[in-house]
Amino acid sequence: GESVGLHLPTLSVQEGDNSIINCAYSNSASDYFIWYKQESGKGPQFIIDIRSNMDKRQGQRVTVLLNKTVKHLSLQIAATQPGDSAVYFCAENRGGATNKLIFGTGTLLAVQP
Amino acid sequence: DVKVTQSSRYLVKRTGEKVFLECVQDMDHENMFWYRQDPGLGLRLIYFSYDVKMKEKGDIPEGYSVSREKKERFSLILESASTNQTSMYLCASRRGSPYEQYFGPGTRLTVT
Repeated sequence: GESVGLHLPTLSVQEGDNSIINCAYSNSASDYFIWYKQESGKGPQFIIDIRSNMDKRQGQRVTVLLNKTVKHLSLQIAATQPGDSAVYFCAENRGGATNKLIFGTGTLLAVQP
Repeated sequence: DVKVTQSSRYLVKRTGEKVFLECVQDMDHENMFWYRQDPGLGLRLIYFSYDVKMKEKGDIPEGYSVSREKKERFSLILESASTNQTSMYLCASRRGSPYEQYFGPGTRLTVT
């Protein structure tokens, strides 16, 4: 199927290395953040989330860091594997009346064997 | 596990046809969403629904309508399909805010 990776920034890493994917968000009032992984031709898959009262959260091989001062979010993947190759994008939950998620455009992670 | 299913993976329709995209979730989630995804533009919200029979316009509702008669089902309707509606359509659901949205596999719609 058509790749969602067209026109996206690309991060190329060697298998076994750690990957860091960054995301800048826009609204200082956003209270919740999510990282998604999307493989070609598939729907986005939830990876990890973090609330605004935290600055770090760890999952299995993944860590999310939140820096509210500079409105920056990062996703760290330890020991990157070929199966991690995908588009990764962040989402911020804008509170208030609508509570909509606002999605970033994504980063293509390419894992070289 | 949460499961969100969409009625078709691939769909080809002609200009002017009325198109129905169906989405079903099995986790009793209150909120459901329809997005379209285009290269370089990311995910754009078309419509969402907080509860049965409730709907709200998203960022790009023109040319679309929705229906939510049952909690588990949220339908997207293209009243008269046009070529600029060729896209990947993604449905999502969540139990409320602020919680993660779970996505379906997507429907790739081509309008010729």
